[in-house]
Amino acid sequence: AQSVTQLDSQVPVFEEAPVELRCNYSSSVSVYLFWYVQYPNQGLQLLLKYLSGSTLVKGINGFEAEFNKSQTSFHLRKPSVHISDTAEYFCAVSPNTGGFKTIFGAGTRLFVKA
Amino acid sequence: EAGVAQSPRYKIIEKRQSVAFWCNPISGHATLYWYQQILGQGPKLLIQFQNNGVVDDSQLPKDRFSAERLKGVDSTLKIQPAKLEDSAVYLCASSNRRRGSEEKLFFGSGTQLSVL
Repeated sequence: AQSVTQLDSQVPVFEEAPVELRCNYSSSVSVYLFWYVQYPNQGLQLLLKYLSGSTLVKGINGFEAEFNKSQTSFHLRKPSVHISDTAEYFCAVSPNTGGFKTIFGAGTRLFVKA
Repeated sequence: EAGVAQSPRYKIIEKRQSVAFWCNPISGHATLYWYQQILGQGPKLLIQFQNNGVVDDSQLPKDRFSAERLKGVDSTLKIQPAKLEDSAVYLCASSNRRRGSEEKLFFGSGTQLSVL
């Protein structure tokens, strides 16, 4: 079984400041890792994903995430945020051997202030 | 390509009433999911279909929730009777994952259910 823990429920940050949204997971099998974003009044959309290879993955809108196997983490970062980045961010895991089930964390609300 | 379609967008009912949600996945996507997203929480998987068969319904409250995907395309999720704690956004997602590749979920806009 897999589980996902997002360590911060809310992250307020000023515009143009850097941000890190933390995600830890547990799993008895190897997993794929994802970050999804949900803008206000919109559906979930994929931000980035880690499948294999380089542990640093880049996504849309300047976001990147780093997979750390020893710490079972997949933190999301952006060096300079914009007001438009205000949204709910969800970390998710999916086993890479059958099952196909994607499990989500509780979400982190990023609030960018002017 | 067309996205995942869900209807209705909003639904308000009284407790003990029945309600049904509809989902049309992206054409060709074999896997379909229903998630429940309660305010302030992440999406919780209710049921997963592979074509018209159920893969996982372990977290579906089967005493009141039911879902079907008869022809392996559209799906309906029903709640009967509804309780106050069923107030949530119900998300439908589909994917075309094949064994050995990663899964990318495509989500619909969801149906926001308010039970009064």
